[in-house]
Amino acid sequence: AQSVSQHNHHVILSEAASLELGCNYSYGGTVNLFWYVQYPGQHLQLLLKYFSGDPLVKGIKGFEAEFIKSKFSFNLRKPSVQWSDTAEYFCAVNAGTNAGKSTFGDGTTLTVKP
Amino acid sequence: KAGVTQTPRYLIKTRGQQVTLSCSPISGHRSVSWYQQTPGQGLQFLFEYFSETQRNKGNFPGRFSGRQFSNSRSEMNVSTLELGDSALYLCASSRAVGQGNTEAFFGQGTRLTVV
Repeated sequence: AQSVSQHNHHVILSEAASLELGCNYSYGGTVNLFWYVQYPGQHLQLLLKYFSGDPLVKGIKGFEAEFIKSKFSFNLRKPSVQWSDTAEYFCAVNAGTNAGKSTFGDGTTLTVKP
Repeated sequence: KAGVTQTPRYLIKTRGQQVTLSCSPISGHRSVSWYQQTPGQGLQFLFEYFSETQRNKGNFPGRFSGRQFSNSRSEMNVSTLELGDSALYLCASSRAVGQGNTEAFFGQGTRLTVV
């Protein structure tokens, strides 16, 4: 069975600080990896995704993530956060042939202080 | 293009009652998945439908059921409601199942409160 572990439950940063949120998954086969963001009062939105190819993927709003297969990791990064990045971030995985069932991590709440 | 639409947005029900939630996927999307989101458990997968067939099922009791219609719209039903069923129920649609290279688009959710 798939599982996803997000190491940080709550992260507090000041504006302009760099961000890295950890995500590790457990699955032996081909996976698709995602980061979703949920801003206060809004629905889940896709930040970025990895299916194949270049392991460094870039998403919206300056976010990027690196897939390291040997470490089963897909960490999210942003060089300089803004107050508007305050949100909850979810890492998710689904199996290469089963896109309809995704397993989500518990989420990381990011608070950016102005 | 219209996003995933869930109705109603909010519901208050009494223990023991049943409830039906509705989801209209993005036009052209044939896969609809349902998730339960709670502060303590995060996002938990309920089930997924494709072409009116349940393709995947999570670890929820039989009180949770769903169906999908020929126009890809989906409903989920919870019978004999318990206090612990209070949660945000999310619907997600995607283009296809089996290709693996498609992300899920989420609706706003239905906030269910059981009293």
